[in-house]
Amino acid sequence: SQQGEEDPQALSIQEGENATMNCSYKTSINNLQWYRQNSGRGLVHLILIRSNEREKHSGRLRVTLDTSKKSSSLLITASRAADTASYFCATDLFGSARQLTFGSGTQLTVLP
Amino acid sequence: ETGVTQSPTHLIKTRGQQVTLRCSSQSGHNTVSWYQQALGQGPQFIFQYYREEENGRGNFPPRFSGLQFPNYSSELNVNALELDDSALYLCASDAGGSNTGELFFGEGSRLTVL
Repeated sequence: SQQGEEDPQALSIQEGENATMNCSYKTSINNLQWYRQNSGRGLVHLILIRSNEREKHSGRLRVTLDTSKKSSSLLITASRAADTASYFCATDLFGSARQLTFGSGTQLTVLP
Repeated sequence: ETGVTQSPTHLIKTRGQQVTLRCSSQSGHNTVSWYQQALGQGPQFIFQYYREEENGRGNFPPRFSGLQFPNYSSELNVNALELDDSALYLCASDAGGSNTGELFFGEGSRLTVL
């Protein structure tokens, strides 16, 4: 079963716009991670935010975490066509940062 | 390029057969995890191996089994294949004691069961 649910399931924007994806989860976590997956390929780690952190930045990425609402958001600023991919949030449901439970993903399409 | 390689990349089996998928971890990584990703879904945790011992298991039946070798490479075996086993199987490794939590994924093995 999926621990997290991403919203929206699909998002289409123009190049240069910002993209925001949300993730909700059900149980207490130690950390939350975001991964990116190009069509049918492996996942690439983007960013990890710990439960005692509220916001984290990495390049054009900004992640927020609200543990009281059990939710996180991923913002990609100034999007590019190369950002087109599926984005997944993942939590350590089992209390281990290496045993992840993934959401169902947001399919982002950035139009040139 | 994550340094994690998987083989084969694609394979087709028939229901009831057995399959073995292989994974070579990134150098220096002693922990390997396997995930199943059905079409249009997020990956689901199958199990994890640390220093050749199973170190955690998700909600998968015993016909899903694994091995980790002294060189930290790994195998996923699935017996008595069912149609629902059709999926992308992903291997991920990390350095065990690392506190970054980042997993390094291979490109996956796409299994089709007919």
